[in-house]
Amino acid sequence: EVQLVQSGAEVKKPGKSLKISCKGSGYIFTNFWINWLRQRPGEGLEWMGIIYPGDSDTTYNPSFQGQVTISVDKSIGTAYLQWSSLKASDTAIYFCARTGPGGYGMDVWGQGTTVTVSS
Amino acid sequence: DIQMIQSPSSLSASVGDRVTITCQASQDISNSVDWYQQKPGKAPNLLIYDASNLATGVPSRFSGGGSGTDFSFTITTLQPEDIATYYCQQNGNLPFTFGGGTKVEIK
Repeated sequence: EVQLVQSGAEVKKPGKSLKISCKGSGYIFTNFWINWLRQRPGEGLEWMGIIYPGDSDTTYNPSFQGQVTISVDKSIGTAYLQWSSLKASDTAIYFCARTGPGGYGMDVWGQGTTVTVSS
Repeated sequence: DIQMIQSPSSLSASVGDRVTITCQASQDISNSVDWYQQKPGKAPNLLIYDASNLATGVPSRFSGGGSGTDFSFTITTLQPEDIATYYCQQNGNLPFTFGGGTKVEIK
């Protein structure tokens, strides 16, 4: 079964660092782009950026550039999203999603990781 | 960034009704629009890619159309399990952007 499994919920204080993960299985991880998306409470979806695990080619949404870092460890089939200094406004659910074969939509999604930033 | 104006933001319809949602892009994006369904507490699910292609395993009551700047998404016969929020998304230009969503409820 093709799936993306994300790391568990996090509660952090403002200013702390955080790295969440997204592990792919059931397919050749290096052959498909991985997207990261944010959904703040009660709001819509925002696309944060994309990485190609084969060569770590990464593109950020300018709205998130410098705020987060997207990376990948292809040896263990895992993509990451990290913050060096969290803010309360980073409180959200974060999803990873695979871009499907031929670039046809985001066809496989992780279950989401809830990040709560509160003092 | 390309803006995706989605309407309506919510709708209430009866089981069996035909439901249509529209998305207007701020510039020509050819057919580079996907549609997603998100049920409460769940990750989104791809329904339509490239404006009009049904994703694998998606029921045929869902369909999409349009090109250029104007796109539509239709549920031909609304079912109780279709209660969800639906999003359009353009992937023709970076950064990819979403419409604001349409919450579909049963009347």
